[in-house]
Amino acid sequence: KAGVTQTPRYLIKTRGQQVTLSCSPISGHRSVSWYQQTPGQGLQFLFEYFSETQRNKGNFPGRFSGRQFSNSRSEMNVSTLELGDSALYLCASSLFGGASDTQYFGPGTRLTVL
Amino acid sequence: KQEVTQIPAALSVPEGENLVLNCSFTDSAIYNLQWFRQDPGKGLTSLLLIQSSQREQTSGRLNASLDKSSGRSTLYIAASQPGDSATYLCAVRDNYGQNFVFGPGTRLSVLP
Repeated sequence: KAGVTQTPRYLIKTRGQQVTLSCSPISGHRSVSWYQQTPGQGLQFLFEYFSETQRNKGNFPGRFSGRQFSNSRSEMNVSTLELGDSALYLCASSLFGGASDTQYFGPGTRLTVL
Repeated sequence: KQEVTQIPAALSVPEGENLVLNCSFTDSAIYNLQWFRQDPGKGLTSLLLIQSSQREQTSGRLNASLDKSSGRSTLYIAASQPGDSATYLCAVRDNYGQNFVFGPGTRLSVLP
């Protein structure tokens, strides 16, 4: 079974631009979560999608948004990029996001904002 | 607000040693706790997941315990190997918003 895939793997943008990251979960998984990882703040939860609906949301500004499609693939969008948005963005999938469901992570997208 | 800490921040041991990594959380109302490892520049690999009703989980040389009342989890690694060198993170999912909160990680080096 293929793992979680994320595209692109690397991205360079300039301040003020917007960016869209993509995540394809493991086949059959319906929950997709997004995380931001930086050296200073560590891993922080952005949001979780389940059956095309945002189920949980972390403490990030509205510039960060996402969506999930009917095939469970998910996209994350960051508008009006800031230097501080430079980070490794990770997505994770699980079957239903339940208490016994293990999260499986993708390799991440490294975003650099210049 | 849930906070997760991990001690020690870094650990260096000779190959073959048994070791314990610690994770503490401030709010005992958790849904589950999961241990991950992260290799440099890579995503996370799940090691063990403990549901809130469970006390421990085992997989091969790894054993994780959970004590909700004291807000603690430990990851025990038996007979460490150089391939175990990585950063180990614990994450809790709380009962309220069911958000995931990660600890800062323990960077482990196992020397041959």
